[in-house]
Amino acid sequence: GNSVTQMEGPVTLSEEAFLTINCTYTATGYPSLFWYVQYPGEGLQLLLKATKADDKGSNKGFEATYRKETTSFHLEKGSVQVSDSAVYFCALRGGSQGNLIFGKGTKLSVKP
Amino acid sequence: DAMVIQNPRYQVTQFGKPVTLSCSQTLNHNVMYWYQQKSSQAPKLLFHYYDKDFNNEADTPDNFQSRRPNTSFCFLDIRSPGLGDAAMYLCATSRDRGGGTEAFFGQGTRLTVV
Repeated sequence: GNSVTQMEGPVTLSEEAFLTINCTYTATGYPSLFWYVQYPGEGLQLLLKATKADDKGSNKGFEATYRKETTSFHLEKGSVQVSDSAVYFCALRGGSQGNLIFGKGTKLSVKP
Repeated sequence: DAMVIQNPRYQVTQFGKPVTLSCSQTLNHNVMYWYQQKSSQAPKLLFHYYDKDFNNEADTPDNFQSRRPNTSFCFLDIRSPGLGDAAMYLCATSRDRGGGTEAFFGQGTRLTVV
């Protein structure tokens, strides 16, 4: 079945550091890929998405590229801020019913 | 304004006592999902409604049921909660099921079983 694997957290960075959170997937067919973010006390919100190979999703300085050859969708940001502290979930939508399947989440803490 | 609203935010129930969690949406979306999220784990899809059609995941225990009386509301019923059912329950909606369709989430209901 479809699945998502993302790097274990927590990840602790200093402000302005470079961020990478790795995500790989297993899926049949051609899934769409997503990154969701969950700030403390809030629900999950869409951060960015890509719907086909080589697409790059971007939002708020975050980027991720859909790499079919490596089945990956790594999240990157060149310079993180304290306000980026949150839990980040990689997800895919695929299969006959288009269910949204999540990874375990990676907690990011950014220190001033 | 909140578009997917879950009530209550926190729910404490007794072992074996039926409990209902509610979700409402103002987006008029066709699809409504229920996820269970335990600490440090991925949100796990329990079931979803596509309009009035109920779609249960194969590994969802029979203890979990759902109702969708109209487009706006969806309920999660736990018939006999066990200690292992303590978790965050997330409701989500999407316009459709396919491709890059975005899902919108509520803030979740944290269920404690005592």
